[in-house]
Amino acid sequence: DGGITQSPKYLFRKEGQNVTLSCEQNLNHDAMYWYRQDPGQGLRLIYYSQIVNDFQKGDIAEGYSVSREKKESFPLTVTSAQKNPTAFYLCASSIGQDEAFFGQGTRLTVV
Amino acid sequence: SQQGEEDPQALSIQEGENATMNCSYKTSINNLQWYRQNSGRGLVHLILIRSNEREKHSGRLRVTLDTSKKSSSLLITASRAADTASYFCATAPSGTYKYIFGTGTRLKVLA
Repeated sequence: DGGITQSPKYLFRKEGQNVTLSCEQNLNHDAMYWYRQDPGQGLRLIYYSQIVNDFQKGDIAEGYSVSREKKESFPLTVTSAQKNPTAFYLCASSIGQDEAFFGQGTRLTVV
Repeated sequence: SQQGEEDPQALSIQEGENATMNCSYKTSINNLQWYRQNSGRGLVHLILIRSNEREKHSGRLRVTLDTSKKSSSLLITASRAADTASYFCATAPSGTYKYIFGTGTRLKVLA
C-alpha cells in the first residue's frame, strides 16, 4: 500500500533532550513538509523540501532541524532550543504543487 | 505570516443544511486547496482549484475562487453528521512550494 508513515504516534521528551520524528513515504513524491499544530489551531509550516538534499525554512523553523538524504525520508529533529515543543506534528508529501498526502501525526509531549 | 484565513472560526448547523466557509489569502497563487481534519488525525485532501478556474464541484462540495479578491469559498451541501470536522484552505505563493494553511473552520453538524 502506498502512503506516508509517521512514527512514533506518541513521543515524550524530557527537558533539554533532542528528539527525532520519523516521516517516510513510498509515493515517489518529490516534495515533503513538516507542520506543527497546537490545540484548536491551524497548521504552521516548520520546514519543506522540494527535492533530495535541499530544504527551506518555513515560518517557525527555530529550534528544529531536518535532513533530506533520501527521497522517501524527511526526519524532523526537535532540539533543546525549541522552548515549547509540546504539539501535534504532521508530515506531508506531494508531487509538485498538487494535493498533499498527510501522515497520521506524532503527538509530542514534554515531561 | 499566515497566508490563509478562514471564517467563520466555528459553524454549527443541522443535518441536511448547507455549510459555507470562506478563505482569504495574501499573494498570487497557482492553486488553492481545501482539506478536512477529523479530531486528532491527519488531514485529508478534498479539492484543488487552479488559479484559472472560478468554480469546481466534487460530489457535495462546491468551491469557488476569486483571484481578484484573493478569496475562496467551500460549500458543503446537504450536510451529514459525518461532515463534522475542521476544514482548512492551503495556498502557496506562485512558483513556491511554501504551502501555508489557514486557521480553519470547525464545523459541527447536529443530527
